[in-house]
Amino acid sequence: SQQGEEDPQALSIQEGENATMNCSYKTSINNLQWYRQNSGRGLVHLILIRSNEREKHSGRLRVTLDTSKKSSSLLITASRAADTASYFCATDANTGNQFYFGTGTSLTVIP
Amino acid sequence: KAGVTQTPRYLIKTRGQQVTLSCSPISGHRSVSWYQQTPGQGLQFLFEYFSETQRNKGNFPGRFSGRQFSNSRSEMNVSTLELGDSALYLCASRTFRGGTDTQYFGPGTRLTVL
Repeated sequence: SQQGEEDPQALSIQEGENATMNCSYKTSINNLQWYRQNSGRGLVHLILIRSNEREKHSGRLRVTLDTSKKSSSLLITASRAADTASYFCATDANTGNQFYFGTGTSLTVIP
Repeated sequence: KAGVTQTPRYLIKTRGQQVTLSCSPISGHRSVSWYQQTPGQGLQFLFEYFSETQRNKGNFPGRFSGRQFSNSRSEMNVSTLELGDSALYLCASRTFRGGTDTQYFGPGTRLTVL
């Protein structure tokens, strides 16, 4: 079964608003990563957060990790139409060899 | 550095045929992973190769196989194609640096089985 699940499945916001999506996972992890996928294309690595970190920033992205709740959130501030994509979280499930991807959140930013 | 490349980008096959997909990782990366992405199942791990050896394998039938060459390029083969094999096949080049493990994905091969 998949390790992670994103919530919500779909999100529609106006340009300039903030977008928050959540990821829950099942087992202990070494790190959690967020990826973006534009329609029908490859995944682009956005940000990685290690299990001993609680928050990380990269440009307009802010990621939090709560290992006690086995959850992470991705915040995109001041969204743009170009942010329209699907966002996935991926964990290594502490195995070191295999990544598990969540089901994805489809974000639509309306100009 | 050039990114991960996959060929072909699009492929149409009929049931019963076989197909071979190719992936060239980022220069210096020795690990290549393959994923199948479908609307219903999401991203599912197929297998990972490291230094020409299969290091990990997902839960797919034996019709799905792969290999890796000495230059780290990898191929994935699907025999006796079924309609359900229609999917986006993604290859990821993987690096482990400074204690972090990151994958970089190619653009994918869109396989349609008729």
